[in-house]
Parts: sequence; structure tokens; C-alpha cells
Amino acid sequence: SQQGEEDPQALSIQEGENATMNCSYKTSINNLQWYRQNSGRGLVHLILIRSNEREKHSGRLRVTLDTSKKSSSLLITASRAADTASYFCATSGNTPLVFGKGTRLSVIA
Amino acid sequence: DGGITQSPKYLFRKEGQNVTLSCEQNLNHDAMYWYRQDPGQGLRLIYYSQIVNDFQKGDIAEGYSVSREKKESFPLTVTSAQKNPTAFYLCASTPSGGAPDTQYFGPGTRLTVL
Repeated sequence: SQQGEEDPQALSIQEGENATMNCSYKTSINNLQWYRQNSGRGLVHLILIRSNEREKHSGRLRVTLDTSKKSSSLLITASRAADTASYFCATSGNTPLVFGKGTRLSVIA
Repeated sequence: DGGITQSPKYLFRKEGQNVTLSCEQNLNHDAMYWYRQDPGQGLRLIYYSQIVNDFQKGDIAEGYSVSREKKESFPLTVTSAQKNPTAFYLCASTPSGGAPDTQYFGPGTRLTVL
């Protein structure tokens, strides 16, 4: 049962631009996490935002959470070619993490 | 170095054969997880273990089996009953099996059935 649903499925931008990815989910959560996956590799944790938080920053990453709309967004500012990867949101309630299908981000130099 | 290792990186199997994927962690984490990823898809949970000698089925456990005899190890067996086993398999761990927290992932094993 996949709860998180990322949008868009694919995104292509120029280096230096900002990239925004969205995640919608269906049921109440304890926290929402964002992960990054380079092609053919494991996932790497980027940021965790708890259900009582609205916004969180980490370097060039900014995550927002709107529990009333059951949605989250991940903003990557001043993108670099090295940011090219798939990005997944994962929600946690009382069960193990449930991952969405991801957004494939391509940053063109 | 602390981390999660998976072996082998690539695995080929003939139809009808069982095959076991290895996952080892030296992070002293209590909980471990197995996911399956198909091309262009997210991760689907196969099995998870919150503590040694205990494990639970995930969303797609049919055709798979696991064991958790040691804290560091959580091997996954893909049996001949799994109809479409070709996929990328990812192992992960978390410090505790309580409220899901940050997951640490291994590099994955790509299984191909010939």
C-alpha cells in the first residue's frame, strides 16, 4: 500500500534553477521523510519533518508540511548537475515507512 | 566503517531455483527491512524485523522468506514460488523498531531471472 504520491513524475531543469517536488498522502502520519536515490544505488536520507512541524531547512533543501492538505513539498535551491537523481517521500504512521514512486530530477549543466 | 552491506551486487538465477540475498549491518540497529524496487517504481516492503528472532510480513511477502538469527544479519530468500523475481532489492535498518525513523540503506542487489 503506497501512501506517498510524488508529483511531478519527472522534472528537467537547468543548473542554477530551483526544483520543487510535491508529495501527497492519504492517512495521518507521525513524520514524513525525503530520500534521494542515484541510479542503481541505495536510498540516502535527506530530511525528516515531524507532523507538528511546518517547515524545515537543511543546506539547499527546504521541506514544508501541510497536514490539513496531507501534502509536503521539497525545494532544492540553486540546483547542480550532481542533484540529478530520483527523490522519494516516505510517510510513517504506526507501520514501517511507506514510500511513493518518486520524482526523477534531471539537472542540465 | 559503519554501514549496511548487501551481497552480491548482481545475481542471476535460473527459473525454479531459490536464491538468498545477504544483508549485514554493523550499526547495532535493532530493526531491519527488505524492499523490492521495480523500474520507475517506488519501494515495496517485503519483510521487516524489529528485533532478533522476530519478523513480520510486508505488503508483498508471497514467494519470499527471511530469518533473523543474529542482530547484524537479515538474509532474504527468493523462492521459486515468486512469480516475477527480477528486480532491485534493497535492505535497510533503523536504530529501533519503534516509531519509524531515518532508514539507512544498503547499496542493493540486482536480481535477474534467466
